[in-house]
Amino acid sequence: AQKITQTQPGMFVQEKEAVTLDCTYDTSDPSYGLFWYKQPSSGEMIFLIYQGSYDQQNATEGRYSLNFQKARKSANLVISASQLGDSAMYFCAMREGGSARQLTFGSGTQLTVLP
Amino acid sequence: SQTIHQWPATLVQPVGSPLSLECTVEGTSNPNLYWYRQAAGRGLQLLFYSVGIGQISSEVPQNLSASRPQDRQFILSSKKLLLSDSGFYLCAWSHKGRVLPLHFGNGTRLTVT
Repeated sequence: AQKITQTQPGMFVQEKEAVTLDCTYDTSDPSYGLFWYKQPSSGEMIFLIYQGSYDQQNATEGRYSLNFQKARKSANLVISASQLGDSAMYFCAMREGGSARQLTFGSGTQLTVLP
Repeated sequence: SQTIHQWPATLVQPVGSPLSLECTVEGTSNPNLYWYRQAAGRGLQLLFYSVGIGQISSEVPQNLSASRPQDRQFILSSKKLLLSDSGFYLCAWSHKGRVLPLHFGNGTRLTVT
């Protein structure tokens, strides 16, 4: 079974509008972490935001916020006031436990911001 | 500040040829080091990780190997490349004892012909 599911292979958003990128996860480990990375066309992976399973509040970093719904096992990324530079591939990922081998990435969502 | 260098940026190699991709990290000591592969249109797959010099853990049986000859140097190798080895390879590091956040290099796009 997929541990991280990103159901939107591609998304479009108008500049200055908000967009939500979906991510659902599957784990039986009570301790886990969820995070989002951005991959521009140049290829590098840029860490955006992290949410721990025990964190009470949703994580926020500037224009990025993570809509964490534990019961639904979802960790959607919300980008407010989209900018043209936000066009990129976005990956959701999950850490189970503390081991590197338990780090799993989703298949990604290609976001295109329209002028 | 910490930086990660990965080279080459692009590489075209014939089937059966050897491979050596290098990754170095500056500005930190004893990092955890990782090699990931990203196939076209797919997510990242962890290939190898290392918590110290000479300590390599392999996640996926394959045609590749990794080595860590120095604390901040991580090398991905193959003796004979296969067509299926084509992909985008990313090196990453994290602080000792921590998985997150991962800091990635710029990647190497490998095409095996």
